[in-house]
Amino acid sequence: QKEVEQNSGPLSVPEGAIASLNCTYSDRGSQSFFWYRQYSGKSPELIMSIYSNGDKEDGRFTAQLNKASQYVSLLIRDSQPSDSATYLCAVNSNAGNNRKLIWGLGTSLAVNP
Amino acid sequence: ETGVTQTPRHLVMGMTNKKSLKCEQHLGHNAMYWYKQSAKKPLELMFVYNFKEQTENNSVPSRFSPECPNSSHLFLHLHTLQPEDSALYLCASSRGTSGYQETQYFGPGTRLLVL
Repeated sequence: QKEVEQNSGPLSVPEGAIASLNCTYSDRGSQSFFWYRQYSGKSPELIMSIYSNGDKEDGRFTAQLNKASQYVSLLIRDSQPSDSATYLCAVNSNAGNNRKLIWGLGTSLAVNP
Repeated sequence: ETGVTQTPRHLVMGMTNKKSLKCEQHLGHNAMYWYKQSAKKPLELMFVYNFKEQTENNSVPSRFSPECPNSSHLFLHLHTLQPEDSALYLCASSRGTSGYQETQYFGPGTRLLVL
């Protein structure tokens, strides 16, 4: 059973701080990794994808991938109250005959003004 | 995100009703997905279509019946549902199903309540 694990939170950070979200996965063959943000009552929206070891930056967001340790993280710099949401980690995996995304439960982030 | 649209946005149905969910993508993608999202559970993949062909049926009960007439449209036909089927049903699309093409974009979802 291929799995993606996230700390459900809630993770609470003050406005302006760095929020660090972590995700571990079980399939060593995984090659594509995604972070989505989901506001309450809304659908997931893509924040970042990452495919290679190391860091990938996009504005206030940085994704970090370490395939040897099987974890991927998301850093949010200068956190804003509008960043308060659930962050979903998704990892592609060979499951059965097809590759598909395996999703974590999500980490709830609260940014306090 | 207006690239993927879903109707209806909310649906209440009895266990003996038949209804259909509709999804349309305007992104020129070739793959489309149905997901179920329930509280306290990860996103559950239900079906995948790639170039109109079903490539994944994740052991979904037959009371859920998908239809993909073309790469832009996806339907989920519902009949004799159970209260535990109440959930948010999400449609997504991607350019393809492997490598860099598998980034998925979601519609707004249909909130379904089965009484």
